[in-house]
Amino acid sequence: GDSVTQMEGPVTLSEEAFLTINCTYTATGYPSLFWYVQYPGEGLQLLLKATKADDKGSNKGFEATYRKETTSFHLEKGSVQVSDSAVYFCALRYTGGFKTIFGAGTRLFVKA
Amino acid sequence: DTGVSQDPRHKITKRGQNVTFRCDPISEHNRLYWYRQTLGQGPEFLTYFQNEAQLEKSRLLSDRFSAERPKGSFSTLEIQRTEQGDSAMYLCASSSHRDLSTDTQYFGPGTRLTVL
Repeated sequence: GDSVTQMEGPVTLSEEAFLTINCTYTATGYPSLFWYVQYPGEGLQLLLKATKADDKGSNKGFEATYRKETTSFHLEKGSVQVSDSAVYFCALRYTGGFKTIFGAGTRLFVKA
Repeated sequence: DTGVSQDPRHKITKRGQNVTFRCDPISEHNRLYWYRQTLGQGPEFLTYFQNEAQLEKSRLLSDRFSAERPKGSFSTLEIQRTEQGDSAMYLCASSSHRDLSTDTQYFGPGTRLTVL
C-alpha cells in the first residue's frame, strides 16, 4: 500500500543553519505531496504542496521538489529560525481522494 | 476565526465510559474527515463525510466508534466503552469540493483524549 517515510528526529540546529528533512514515499499512482507543520499546542497547518512531478512547493522560506524518479519530497530551508521549531509531517494524497497518508513526523529544534 | 474548531480540546475519562467529540468545519466545506494521532506518530485516517453521507470508514474504526454529520455541517465522533488504547489526539479536517487542484484539507486543533 501507499506509505510515507520520514527521517527520524529530533533534528537540532542552530539559528541560521541549513535544514533538510528527508521524505520518501511509496505510491501506486501519482499523488499530490504535502508538508504540514505542527507548532506546539496547535493544529496541523499546511506548509506547502506539489501536485505533479518536478513541481516545487514553497512557503515561508521552505521549499520541496516532487521527485518522481527518486520518489522523494525533501523539505529544505536555507536559514532556520527559532520560530521554526515544530514537528514537520510529510504526506501524500490522491487528487479527489479522501484520505491523506502521513509520515511519522520529524521534530525540529532550533537553538538561538 | 473561520478555521476548523473542535470541542472539547481535552477530555479525561475512565475506562468504560462513553465520550463524544464535536467538530465544526470551515463554513461551506462539504467534506469532513476524522483522524487519530498517537504520540510520536502521524495522523491516521478514521472516516470521511461528504455532506451528511459517511462514505468511508477505516478498519481502525471499531464497533465502539461512531461518527455522524446529521445536517452536513458539524460532526460528532463518539467512542463507547473507552479503553486505554483509545488515548490519542483526535483530529478533524475539512475541505471544499471547489478546491479542484488538490482538495486541500484544513485541520482543527484536535481533542486530546486520555483514558485512565
